[in-house]
Amino acid sequence: DIQMTQSPSSLSASVGDRVTITCRASQSISNFLNWYQQKPGKAPKILIFAASTLQSGVPSRFSGSGSGTDFTLTISSLLPEDFATYYCQQSYSTPPTFGQGTKVEIK
Amino acid sequence: QVQLVQSGAEVKRPGASVKVSCKASGYTFTDNYMHWVRQAPGQGLEWMGIIHPSTGSARYAQKFQGSVTMTRDTSTSTVYMEVSSLRSEDTAVYFCARDLTGPTTTFDYWGQGTLVTVSS
Repeated sequence: DIQMTQSPSSLSASVGDRVTITCRASQSISNFLNWYQQKPGKAPKILIFAASTLQSGVPSRFSGSGSGTDFTLTISSLLPEDFATYYCQQSYSTPPTFGQGTKVEIK
Repeated sequence: QVQLVQSGAEVKRPGASVKVSCKASGYTFTDNYMHWVRQAPGQGLEWMGIIHPSTGSARYAQKFQGSVTMTRDTSTSTVYMEVSSLRSEDTAVYFCARDLTGPTTTFDYWGQGTLVTVSS
C-alpha cells in the first residue's frame, strides 16, 4: 500500500494567515492526489482533486500543487470557517490511502 | 442535489453483525461507484471497499475480506455494508462516499456517517 505522510500534524494560525500543508507519498503517484476538509462530527468534504483542480463551489483561497511524491495545500488567507482537519488521499492505486491529517487550530 | 443519507447509530455486542445503509438521491444511482470509509474515534480515514451499483460487484480492502459484505438495492437506490464478527476495534464512524465518476477513488459526496459502537 502507498503510505501518505502529512506535515505538520497540527498548526496554530490566525485569521488572515497564509497556511501551507504538505503531503508526501511513499512512491510516485503522478497527480492522483486529493484534499479533504473535515470539521468535528461531520463527514469529509472534497476541496481539490487531481492535485490542483478545485472542486466546484470551493472558495478560491484554497489551492493545491505538486506531482510525483510531494504535494501542498495552501489556504491563502485563513477564515474562521477554515479551522478544521485536512486530509490528503492518493487515488493512484487500490487501496486508496489517506494521510494522518493536519489539524488547523486557532492561534 | 446529490444526497447520501445513512442509517442511525448502532450499539452491538462483540461477535455480532451490523448492517449500515446508505440511500442515494439526486443523481442516477447506477452511474457512480460507491465506497465505504471508516474512522475510529479520534483517528484518520480508512478505506474499506467499493461497490458498483449497476452490477453489484464489490471489492474489499484486504483487511476486510471475509468480514465485510457490500450489497445494493437498485429499486430503492440504497447500498448496504455489513460487518460481521464485530470486535471492539470496529467501533468507528462508517461513511459511504460516492465516486467522482467510476472508479477513480475520488470521493465527491459523503453520507453523514453512522456510529457503530461495539461494547459488551
